[in-house]
Amino acid sequence: EIVLTQSPGTLSLSPGERATLSCRASQSVSSSYLAWYQQKPGQAPRLLIYDASNRATGIPDRFSGSGSGTDFTLTISRLEPEDFAVYHCQQYGSSPPYTFGQGTNLEIK
Amino acid sequence: QVQLVESGGGVVQPGGSLRLSCAASGFSFNNYGIHWVRQAPGKGLEWVTFIRYDGSTEYFADSVKGRFTISRDDSKNTVYLQMNSLRAEDTAVYYCAKAHDRSRNYFDYWGQGTLVTVSS
Repeated sequence: EIVLTQSPGTLSLSPGERATLSCRASQSVSSSYLAWYQQKPGQAPRLLIYDASNRATGIPDRFSGSGSGTDFTLTISRLEPEDFAVYHCQQYGSSPPYTFGQGTNLEIK
Repeated sequence: QVQLVESGGGVVQPGGSLRLSCAASGFSFNNYGIHWVRQAPGKGLEWVTFIRYDGSTEYFADSVKGRFTISRDDSKNTVYLQMNSLRAEDTAVYYCAKAHDRSRNYFDYWGQGTLVTVSS
């Protein structure tokens, strides 16, 4: 089973700042099959990024994903008020289980 | 538009059973696999189970193996999650989610979730 570790657990930033979130895998994620999701309180997760670096439909270009192997990053170039939420990474490169990281809480400073 | 609607959640005693449903619309249901993902209160997401587009294969997390089963009825565009021998640690919001395609199991659409509470 691939274990995903997200850091930091909580990130405190102000609107307009740049956010960098990390997701590290315990072993290489094949084909860079890694996704990022955004979740706001009381809502279902929403797909942001798939295949490590491809934005999902309708996702603003201030969101970008990068990485390969065991190290992946989600970057939000300039934070908007609606971007403060919890972010989850998920790998789907191997056979099940399709594991998630524990999440990063992006909060307003 | 794609919609997934879960139902069947509620309060159940430890050792009890519950069946969740996931009704899908807005896409060609019999061409896509469906997953269940859960989230315990205040916790992260946990993948639970998956059924392939043709119902030929199912996968389960170790935490539910032998207790949960998954099935699909393509005539009703619905996936079912049968949960038996429920434990307190199964308390969570259960989401169904659509697999993107047959080879990449990321979740492009999610339902709103249904809450399962296991308590005496």
